[in-house]
Amino acid sequence: KAGVTQTPRYLIKTRGQQVTLSCSPISGHRSVSWYQQTPGQGLQFLFEYFSETQRNKGNFPGRFSGRQFSNSRSEMNVSTLELGDSALYLCASSATGAPFNYGYTFGSGTRLTVV
Amino acid sequence: TQLLEQSPQFLSIQEGENLTVYCNSSSVFSSLQWYRQEPGEGPVLLVTVVTGGEVKKLKRLTFQFGDARKDSSLHITAAQTGDTGLYLCAGARVQGAQKLVFGQGTRLTINP
Repeated sequence: KAGVTQTPRYLIKTRGQQVTLSCSPISGHRSVSWYQQTPGQGLQFLFEYFSETQRNKGNFPGRFSGRQFSNSRSEMNVSTLELGDSALYLCASSATGAPFNYGYTFGSGTRLTVV
Repeated sequence: TQLLEQSPQFLSIQEGENLTVYCNSSSVFSSLQWYRQEPGEGPVLLVTVVTGGEVKKLKRLTFQFGDARKDSSLHITAAQTGDTGLYLCAGARVQGAQKLVFGQGTRLTINP
């Protein structure tokens, strides 16, 4: 079956702009989580959606938001981009919404560069 | 302060050698997972350990969960160049298990 698909793979934006990243989870997976990965901080949890509802949120400013659609596809949006937002953004889907049992399946990520 | 501390952060060894990577915390986890990430890709799940003291083997990789469920180790026997990558441990806390907390990772390089 198809894996987790993230688009686009690479993105270059200018400070102050906004960006929307997309994630299509594995078919049948209802939970989608987003992580930010940087060399200095590692993987930091952004938020998790399950059946269109945000269930958990990490410690990121309100400029970071997301949503999930009825088909489980998810988008995350970052407004007023800052240089420090440059990172690899990873989407992960889980069948049960409880990744402690079955783990995540990650997409390949979107590499965002803010200039 | 990282909830999960991995050591070493970097490790470079010759093919055929053995190695161990550690993942430590002062918190108790309901489960702990290990992932491997290659450049330009997302992490791939290797194993999940759930029971304190549990040992799981995946070919040349041996994973152990500490008795108190606060730490874990990954041991690789006779490392191969294909083992090169970033190894990440991730824990599901007893409270708030819907998200995983990741360690900083161990960047492993196996030289031919």
